[in-house]
Amino acid sequence: AAGVIQSPRHLIKEKRETATLKCYPIPRHDTVYWYQQGPGQDPQFLISFYEKMQSDKGSIPDRFSAQQFSDYHSELNMSSLELGDSALYFCASSLGLGVYEQYFGPGTRLTVT
Amino acid sequence: DAKTTQPTSMDCAEGRAANLPCNHSTISGNEYVYWYRQIHSQGPQYIIHGLKNNETNEMASLIITEDRKSSTLILPHATLRDTAVYYCIVRSFTGTASKLTFGTGTRLQVTL
Repeated sequence: AAGVIQSPRHLIKEKRETATLKCYPIPRHDTVYWYQQGPGQDPQFLISFYEKMQSDKGSIPDRFSAQQFSDYHSELNMSSLELGDSALYFCASSLGLGVYEQYFGPGTRLTVT
Repeated sequence: DAKTTQPTSMDCAEGRAANLPCNHSTISGNEYVYWYRQIHSQGPQYIIHGLKNNETNEMASLIITEDRKSSTLILPHATLRDTAVYYCIVRSFTGTASKLTFGTGTRLQVTL
């Protein structure tokens, strides 16, 4: 079965650079979520989109922005990167906002040096 | 969303049932109990969810107490591949908000 695809899987950036993470949801899934997991920490919700509109927002820094496109894929844009942004970034998708389970991608490991 | 409390860690012998408890004493009527697990930095994996009835699927069983203040995830025959951090998450649906709020979880170690 098709799963959530994230690219790139690994990314190394320097401080103050920008990064773009991409997420391709499971076919027919219209809802995308982004989570950040720092070293030794639990995943933390950043932002979500339903039908190309932002549906919820968590502790996402102002330096980060995201959007969902007409084909439902989503991109997380991160600017002025800081060392503390080094983390695993997971994307998840679901069929909608209701009682639907979220399916997670393999994550993008971002390292900021 | 209601707060959950789980043991920090548990051990289980391979082939035996693993029973993972979760306390969610402040759960409200429209909140569901979800279980996810994360195997060593992989993406969290959905296991099961329920509202008030016990649920079973190919992976596990979920037992929710009658007052809904606690629940237990049961892996009937644990294997080494079940070693992971297990998260009990209480999730409400208030219009557009349906994010997952991860707590600290239980680190399950399955041993030979």
